[in-house]
Amino acid sequence: DIQMTQSPSSLSASVGDKVTITCQASQDISNDLNWYQQKPGKAPKLLIYGAFSLEVGAPSRFRGSGSGTDFTLTISSLQPEDFARYYCQQYGNVPYTFGQGTKVEIK
Amino acid sequence: QVQLLQSGAAVKKPGASVRLACQASAYNFATYKIQWVRQAPGESLEWMGWVNPANGDTHISQKFHDRVTLITDTSANTAYMELSSLRSEDTALYFCARGRGVAAGLFDHWGQGSLVTVSS
Repeated sequence: DIQMTQSPSSLSASVGDKVTITCQASQDISNDLNWYQQKPGKAPKLLIYGAFSLEVGAPSRFRGSGSGTDFTLTISSLQPEDFARYYCQQYGNVPYTFGQGTKVEIK
Repeated sequence: QVQLLQSGAAVKKPGASVRLACQASAYNFATYKIQWVRQAPGESLEWMGWVNPANGDTHISQKFHDRVTLITDTSANTAYMELSSLRSEDTALYFCARGRGVAAGLFDHWGQGSLVTVSS
């Protein structure tokens, strides 16, 4: 199975800050990488697919980059509604696997 | 708009089985695979498998291959996931999601989740 490792596990930031979350795959997955946002008690929401494509309806402050084994999710200017947990997910190989998540908290 | 409506919470004893439903609306049900993902309390997300409503094909994670059954009822636009031989570690929130794109690997719409509690 492909292991997905996110860092950091959690971070504290203020509204307006630029935030960067990284995700590393245990083997090359090309661009087969998605990012999701999840709020407590809710289902995940697709933000970025194919490593860098913004899902319809997702705010443009979210940006994905990377390929191969190293990927990044950047939030250009953190908004109050962005405080949540973020997961990366690879779909290059089954079983599809998720990172352990990054919790973005209010500083 | 696209919606996936899941069945309610269930409490089961160890060794029992549970069947969860996921009813889709506002899109052609046969066009997209249905993915199943679970999340244990405080944990990350874990993919379980997919079912293709168009032909009934399934792909189940090796971890669950002997305990999970995935089926669909296209007349009711509903997918079902049955998990057998339940144990305490199966206590989790179970989600269905619509799979889009390459390998149906983009989970673009999700159900609200069905909480399964396994306790004696």
